[in-house]
Formats: sequence, C-alpha cells, structure tokens
Amino acid sequence: DQQVKQNSPSLSVQEGRISILNCDYTNSMFDYFLWYKKYPAEGPTFLISISSIKDKNEDGRFTVFLNKSAKHLSLHIVPSQPGDSAVYFCAASGAGTASKLTFGTGTRLQVTL
Amino acid sequence: DGGITQSPKYLFRKEGQNVTLSCEQNLNHDAMYWYRQDPGQGLRLIYYSQIVNDFQKGDIAEGYSVSREKKESFPLTVTSAQKNPTAFYLCASSKSRTSGGYEQYFGPGTRLTVT
Repeated sequence: DQQVKQNSPSLSVQEGRISILNCDYTNSMFDYFLWYKKYPAEGPTFLISISSIKDKNEDGRFTVFLNKSAKHLSLHIVPSQPGDSAVYFCAASGAGTASKLTFGTGTRLQVTL
Repeated sequence: DGGITQSPKYLFRKEGQNVTLSCEQNLNHDAMYWYRQDPGQGLRLIYYSQIVNDFQKGDIAEGYSVSREKKESFPLTVTSAQKNPTAFYLCASSKSRTSGGYEQYFGPGTRLTVT
C-alpha cells in the first residue's frame, strides 16, 4: 500500500520556467513533509520541508505548498536551472517518537536549455 | 567535516554469501536508518535504530540484520536469505524526533551486486 505517491515519473521544463512537482498521501497521521533531491549513484540531499500546521514554506527558489484537506503537496522551483535536473522524492513523517520517513517513488525532472 | 560515510561504494558478492555494509556518522545523531533503492522505486526502509543497542524492523527487513553497538556505527548485513539482494543501499541518520529531528541526512550509498 503506497502511502506517499508521486504519480508523475518524469517532468521536462525549460530553463527559466517554473517546475511543479506533485505528491499525494493517504495517511492522515503524517504531520511533517520533506522533499529530497537525488542524483544517480548518490545519496538524497534534503531540500525543503513543511510542518502540517503550515500551508507554505519558502526557501530561495524552492517553495513547498501543503493542502491538508486534499492530502496533497507540491514543490515549486522557480526559475528552473539545468542543475536542478535530478530525481525528486517526496517524504512524510508520522506522529510518534520515531523519525521514520515514508518516501514516494520519485519524479525525474529534466531542465532543458 | 561532519557527515555520513558508507563503504565500499561498489560491492560484488557471489550468491549464498553474507555481506556487511558499513555506515558511520559523526553528526552525533541518535537515530540511524538503512534503505534500499531499486530502479523505478522509492526508498524502502529496511531497519532503523533510535538509540544504541536498540533497533526496529522497517518495511522490508527479511533477509537483513543490523547491530547498533556504538552511536556512530550502524552496519547492515545482507544474508543469503535475502532473495533479491542486488540494489543500491543507503544509510541515513537524524536527530531524535523528540529533539526536533525530522530531516534525515544520507550517505553516498553502496551499490551491491550479487551474482
């Protein structure tokens, strides 16, 4: 049962335009959400996160939006740059003492010139 | 420099052999995790440990074993009972959630190939 879903396996965006990556979740006990960026054969690197008490968090070119009623979050990257080309994973953490994360299957973003 | 190290980067083994993957962190994090990544799939949790001498099974623990004798180290053994051991293995660490730890920090990964 996939509790965190990224339904778009890939996305292609022109340099300078906005990239929007989407993520849906089913578990209403998730209270913290994160986005990671991953290059091939490397470990994921943390990008940005959001608590369930917020609906938006911004960090430079990256903004994460959370819609709790729809159980949906999105990552906006603007402007997109060629170096943003990577696989992006959405992850969620549930209430409790363990910092376990449940990951989506990832979206491969390609930023073209 | 603080971080997580995994060694080796590439590992080759014959079927039927156990193999141990190393993970060390000097971030003073309480919690450590092991994931595997397969093509087209997300990261799946194998085992995690929130404190020294304690660990819990994740979603796909069968065929794996771990130990947590030191805060800095969380080795993973892939046993011969693991049916599909060939994968990219990632180790991560974080502060405890009670200390405000949500973000996990990942090592560079180990690519294990079993033939």
